[in-house]
Amino acid sequence: DVVLTQSPLSLPVTLGQPASISCRSSQSLEFSDGNTYLNWFHQRPGQSPRRLIYKVSNRDSGVPDRFSGSGSGTDFTLKISRVEAEDVGVYYCMQNTHWPMYTFGQGTKLEIK
Amino acid sequence: EVQLVQSGAEVKKPGESLKISCKGSGYTFTNYWIGWVRQMPGKGLEWMGIVSPGDSDTRYSPSFQGQVSISADKSISTAYLQWSSLKASDTAIYYCARQESIENVFDIWGQGTMVTVSS
Repeated sequence: DVVLTQSPLSLPVTLGQPASISCRSSQSLEFSDGNTYLNWFHQRPGQSPRRLIYKVSNRDSGVPDRFSGSGSGTDFTLKISRVEAEDVGVYYCMQNTHWPMYTFGQGTKLEIK
Repeated sequence: EVQLVQSGAEVKKPGESLKISCKGSGYTFTNYWIGWVRQMPGKGLEWMGIVSPGDSDTRYSPSFQGQVSISADKSISTAYLQWSSLKASDTAIYYCARQESIENVFDIWGQGTMVTVSS
């Protein structure tokens, strides 16, 4: 099974400061077609998850450009250039390379200092 | 508007059966798989399984194989998650989400269904 390990699990950040979340996979997430299917989701308290990033670095429609994704192989990063109050919640990485056995990371809780 | 609307909260006793639903609208239901995700109280997201409404092809996470049943009725654009005998440990929020292809997974989510199992 593919295991995704996120760090840190808790991330206190001052408003306006950058934030970075790591997601490491136990196996390469590069698919046979050359693409890498690593996604990032954000879940605010009491809400459903919302996809932010797909295929490592592609932002979903309506996602602010302060969010960016990068990485390859087994190491991936979600960066927020300047944290805003609405960014609080839990961030999850999820791989769908290894169809149909998808896996989520444990989640990283972002809070405002 | 594209949306997935899930059935309402349920309170059940251990050993009872349950079927919850996820209805798609605003898009061609059979063009997308529907996946199910569990979130136990205060915990993270766990992928359970997925169904193709077009041909009922279904895949399960090994952790949930044999524990739940996933199905779909394309005639009413609805996917289902069901249990034959609930346990207290099934208490969780269950989300459905759609997948178009390997390139486009879980872009739209349902609002979640809270299932409480208690004697």
